[in-house]
Amino acid sequence: AQSVAQPEDQVNVAEGNPLTVKCTYSVSGNPYLFWYVQYPNRGLQFLLKYITGDNLVKGSYGFEAEFNKSQTSFHLKKPSALVSDSALYFCAVRDTGGFKTIFGAGTRLFVKA
Amino acid sequence: NAGVTQTPKFQVLKTGQSMTLQCAQDMNHNSMYWYRQDPGMGLRLIYYSASEGTTDKGEVPNGYNVSRLNKREFSLRLESAAPSQTSVYFCASSGTGGGYEQYFGPGTRLTVT
Repeated sequence: AQSVAQPEDQVNVAEGNPLTVKCTYSVSGNPYLFWYVQYPNRGLQFLLKYITGDNLVKGSYGFEAEFNKSQTSFHLKKPSALVSDSALYFCAVRDTGGFKTIFGAGTRLFVKA
Repeated sequence: NAGVTQTPKFQVLKTGQSMTLQCAQDMNHNSMYWYRQDPGMGLRLIYYSASEGTTDKGEVPNGYNVSRLNKREFSLRLESAAPSQTSVYFCASSGTGGGYEQYFGPGTRLTVT
């Protein structure tokens, strides 16, 4: 069965510092991996995805994520955080042989000025 | 291009009442989904429609029914609302090929008293 774990409920970082939001996954086959962001009172917005190829994928708003197959991780990163990055971030996984996408519980990111 | 739209934005129901949540997408996507979002639990899939004419149960289908009216529209019905169905409901759609990232509507906040 597919599963996604986001071990941190909340991440706090100062503006200008690098940020990392962690995600680990479990699937039976090869994974499709996603990150989404949710701003208050809004729907989720797609940030980036890993399908195949280069382990470092780049997405919207300067975010990137690193796929690590041996550690079954897909951590979200940004070199320099902005206050406007404060939001709820969701990692998600889909088994390439299946159809359903499973979402993690979410990590709230606070960026302090 | 409105993306994914949902109506209504807010709704208050009494226990036992029924209602239908409407969703439409204008991206010519084949697949559509209904999720509920509860604090600390991420998004849970209620029902999905892989393509026009098909629907399938997700993780938490009990108490809900769906209709894929045409390629654009996918509705969610609560026949007899219960307080446990108080939640924020999101509709999403995705295309085929390229990784299946999902595009979300703005959500419906439902309270059942």
